[in-house]
Amino acid sequence: QKEVEQDPGPLSVPEGAIVSLNCTYSNSAFQYFMWYRQYSRKGPELLMYTYSSGNKEDGRFTAQVDKSSKYISLFIRDSQPSDSATYLCAMRGLSGGYNKLIFGAGTRLAVHP
Amino acid sequence: KAGVTQTPRYLIKTRGQQVTLSCSPISGHRSVSWYQQTPGQGLQFLFEYFSETQRNKGNFPGRFSGRQFSNSRSEMNVSTLELGDSALYLCASSLGTENEQYFGPGTRLTVT
Repeated sequence: QKEVEQDPGPLSVPEGAIVSLNCTYSNSAFQYFMWYRQYSRKGPELLMYTYSSGNKEDGRFTAQVDKSSKYISLFIRDSQPSDSATYLCAMRGLSGGYNKLIFGAGTRLAVHP
Repeated sequence: KAGVTQTPRYLIKTRGQQVTLSCSPISGHRSVSWYQQTPGQGLQFLFEYFSETQRNKGNFPGRFSGRQFSNSRSEMNVSTLELGDSALYLCASSLGTENEQYFGPGTRLTVT
């Protein structure tokens, strides 16, 4: 079993829809949670960075972390065709002096006009 | 502020050869991590460097190595290339070992 599980999709939605992307994890030591967006043939771009449980909002994006359920989500409101990309969740434990990220497989999202 | 830069962007090598990839972190960032991305395995951690010291290493064979210079620039080397080494190699930089990581565009390595 992988430490981080993420449905690879693809997920296809109409423009303007609310998109929900999710990851589950098994390692209770994970404390930092991230969402990256990766366009084809590009490097991942950091969207959200959160610590422990709770919600964080940034523009059209909201990240939620539920540590009790080992479940994290990213919501995209008013989705646009430019949001079409692969979304990767990533997480790590308390530092211990290193910064190794564990990634989900990534969910491919297509927003059609 | 300039982002993370990686050179070269594309590389084609033959089995058995070796390759060196370069990464320049964001100015002021002292930690550099390397990841391998493949369709089958996704993004996997290779190693992390901070202040010229390797802080952590992923589960890759010894053919994969790296180093960091005093200006925080980093290189990774893969010796005796195998077909399975074909991948996108990504470098990420962060201020320190506990900060968020920012990725470069990657080097796409094809081994024939």
